[in-house]
Amino acid sequence: GQSLEQPSEVTAVEGAIVQINCTYQTSGFYGLSWYQQHDGGAPTFLSYNALDGLEETGRFSSFLSRSDSYGYLLLQELQMKDSASYFCAVRDIGNTGKLIFGQGTTLQVKP
Amino acid sequence: KAGVTQTPRYLIKTRGQQVTLSCSPISGHRSVSWYQQTPGQGLQFLFEYFSETQRNKGNFPGRFSGRQFSNSRSEMNVSTLELGDSALYLCASSFPGQGYNEQFFGPGTRLTVL
Repeated sequence: GQSLEQPSEVTAVEGAIVQINCTYQTSGFYGLSWYQQHDGGAPTFLSYNALDGLEETGRFSSFLSRSDSYGYLLLQELQMKDSASYFCAVRDIGNTGKLIFGQGTTLQVKP
Repeated sequence: KAGVTQTPRYLIKTRGQQVTLSCSPISGHRSVSWYQQTPGQGLQFLFEYFSETQRNKGNFPGRFSGRQFSNSRSEMNVSTLELGDSALYLCASSFPGQGYNEQFFGPGTRLTVL
């Protein structure tokens, strides 16, 4: 089977940097992606790591280490609007549309 | 481009009834996946349709079924509703191709079973 572990909650202050970790157990996958979901909203795609290393997209960066079965999402210069749930997900090998999600991390940004 | 749309947005049913939810993907997207989201279980994959064929199925009972039409619109059906089926049902569309296929999610249908 496949499973992804994330912390359930993280709190940080505006302007700070926060890292949300994701560890996984999977027999194989196409890469690690991250989605953001605001309360009452739809999940929206943030980033994807196909290969080991760091991917940067503006204030958000994502990292993957396949040898460590580990990844993280780094959010810099936190803003109040970043308060949301963040999900890591892997795309199942051979099943293009199937994503397996972690339980999600609720980020609360305080002033 | 218009985003993924889902109807209805909210639904209240009683145990034993059945329900049909609809999803219209982004124009040009041929893959539609369905997910169930609950506070306890998170986002769980239900099934994926591509070109009117079910390509993959999650670990849900046979009461959960779906289909896809030639215009890529998809429906999912839940029969004999149980209290535990109360959840947010999300559909996501993607354009299968090379590399990662970003999933575009709709706003979801909030189903409450009484």
